[in-house]
Amino acid sequence: GENVEQHPSTLSVQEGDSAVIKCTYSDSASNYFPWYKQELGKGPQLIIDIRSNVGEKKDQRIAVTLNKTAKHFSLHITETQPEDSAVYFCAASIDRGSTLGRLYFGRGTQLTVWP
Amino acid sequence: DVKVTQSSRYLVKRTGEKVFLECVQDMDHENMFWYRQDPGLGLRLIYFSYDVKMKEKGDIPEGYSVSREKKERFSLILESASTNQTSMYLCASSLGGTGDEKLFFGSGTQLSVL
Repeated sequence: GENVEQHPSTLSVQEGDSAVIKCTYSDSASNYFPWYKQELGKGPQLIIDIRSNVGEKKDQRIAVTLNKTAKHFSLHITETQPEDSAVYFCAASIDRGSTLGRLYFGRGTQLTVWP
Repeated sequence: DVKVTQSSRYLVKRTGEKVFLECVQDMDHENMFWYRQDPGLGLRLIYFSYDVKMKEKGDIPEGYSVSREKKERFSLILESASTNQTSMYLCASSLGGTGDEKLFFGSGTQLSVL
């Protein structure tokens, strides 16, 4: 199956700085790459996703980039705020048009934003 | 908004007990999933189901079974709980199909096996 590696496992930044989390995947057939944010005591929530036909996607302060050749994708958070503190998971899946939306997750990054 | 409800937030069981973790979703989703979350290991898929009475093994199915008798309900069963099954268990659902891969997670059940 797919193998998704995520780095770093922990990341501390000062409020207002940028944060970058990187993931690599192994299966070149993967074509859907979501990012989930998990706040303390809650289940993960989708924050942004990208498909393999797009190189970059932005939503306000967050952006995701994808390099299909190198098989890696990254999450960028600009102007970080304390409420961005959470665990972030990257994931990959192979969309074959079926209902089996099975995701392969990275191990997570604990982001801490210091005021 | 989609709601995925897990029956218990915290659960304490004894070694050897049969344990049932229940999950209900209210948006008529086709797919349902059970994940296990451990520090440093991320989210590992135990079982998933893409239809009533259908089930597929994930990456770590050993020691677990599942039941999906109704579309909205997906149960995880620990046949004989062991201490190494102490973990956070997360249920999720999705509509399925291209463009509908988004997973909606419950808040999790923290299971302790003593």
